[in-house]
Amino acid sequence: GENVEQHPSTLSVQEGDSAVIKCTYSDSASNYFPWYKQELGKRPQLIIDIRSNVGEKKDQRIAVTLNKTAKHFSLHITETQPEDSAVYFCAASIGTGNQFYFGTGTSLTVIP
Amino acid sequence: GAVVSQHPSRVICKSGTSVKIECRSLDFQATTMFWYRQFPKQSLMLMATSNEGSKATYEQGVEKDKFLINHASLTLSTLTVTSAHPEDSSFYICSARAATGGFYGYTFGSGTRLTVV
Repeated sequence: GENVEQHPSTLSVQEGDSAVIKCTYSDSASNYFPWYKQELGKRPQLIIDIRSNVGEKKDQRIAVTLNKTAKHFSLHITETQPEDSAVYFCAASIGTGNQFYFGTGTSLTVIP
Repeated sequence: GAVVSQHPSRVICKSGTSVKIECRSLDFQATTMFWYRQFPKQSLMLMATSNEGSKATYEQGVEKDKFLINHASLTLSTLTVTSAHPEDSSFYICSARAATGGFYGYTFGSGTRLTVV
């Protein structure tokens, strides 16, 4: 089955700096890669996603890049703010089965 | 937008008893629902895929007789933790996929914090 790895597990940045979280996946059949933000005790919220036919997608301060050949994708958050502090999960979905396999999570702390 | 309601949000039960968790899609039909388990400071682990009108598909290592899943309608899936033990204490969360398919329509429920004492 699919194996998704995520790094780093924890990340601290100064407010205004950028944060980058990286994920790799194992199954080349994966074709959908969402990123979720989860605050303590709450449900994950989709923040951005990318399909395998696209190399990059941007939404305001958040961007995701995908390298299909290398089987890795990254989340980029620019101009970080304290409210960006949360746990971020990447995920990969294979074909029409559509179950998500999540990465191990990155706890992001933005220091004011 | 797609809304998934999950109940209860918190439950405390005694060891040996069973607990039922409900996952409802409120404004869309969900042919497929997924159940995840999340331990503190860990990732969401897929437990099973619940398909309306058929048996659930369990991930390797998940006991189907312990975690009973029923998806009797297009808007409701239930997870029953049978004979719960303290090691079953965890955050259980469902997600639902719209019947229209595609990559969209994935929405998570609000989660259930289960504590077995």
